[in-house]
Amino acid sequence: GAGVSQSPRYKVAKRGQDVALRCDPISGHVSLFWYQQALGQGPEFLTYFQNEAQLDKSGLPSDRFFAERPEGSVSTLKIQRTQQEDSAVYLCASSSTIPLADLSYEQYFGPGTRLTVT
Amino acid sequence: DAKTTQPNSMESNEEEPVHLPCNHSTISGTDYIHWYRQLPSQGPEYVIHGLTSNVNNRMASLAIAEDRKSSTLILHRATLRDAAVYYCILRDSARGGSNYKLTFGKGTLLTVNP
Repeated sequence: GAGVSQSPRYKVAKRGQDVALRCDPISGHVSLFWYQQALGQGPEFLTYFQNEAQLDKSGLPSDRFFAERPEGSVSTLKIQRTQQEDSAVYLCASSSTIPLADLSYEQYFGPGTRLTVT
Repeated sequence: DAKTTQPNSMESNEEEPVHLPCNHSTISGTDYIHWYRQLPSQGPEYVIHGLTSNVNNRMASLAIAEDRKSSTLILHRATLRDAAVYYCILRDSARGGSNYKLTFGKGTLLTVNP
């Protein structure tokens, strides 16, 4: 079946530009996560949605980062006034369950969007 | 969150077994041990998880030490497709807190030689 998809796969932005990264989770998945992965590092948590509610945005690096999931399915991660340190792979993951209800859930990851800020 | 320690890299030959170690000496009684792997240019994918008993699935086996301070992911016959970064992650199953997020370290880069 269809997995998590992300678009675009690659994005080059000039410093100061705004970008929007899209995530299409697996249909019916309740939970959605965004992670940031710098080169040579493991992914780092950015934010978590349960349906349309953003329950945790503690990992967002600055107020230039904004995420939404208005109808509880597709999500968009927006970065305003991009900086060079924003260059990374942005990963989206979804899960069919509410984590606190299912203690052994797995997350399904998309292929990521590689953002390069020049 | 409890920390895990993994070797930076390991090498294996195709069709041989691979044992990937993970140390988690500060693990708590409610921590699950999860393994994910990340193939080149892809997002991480779930491999296996366990709490106390050894676990087997179609991808791998997970051997957990009796004191739970370490675990080993076992690939029974490595293939070229198993070349990836393998992450050992602890998830606290206790109610409350932020156990919905996965906390990745740097993982172990597995190279499989033909």
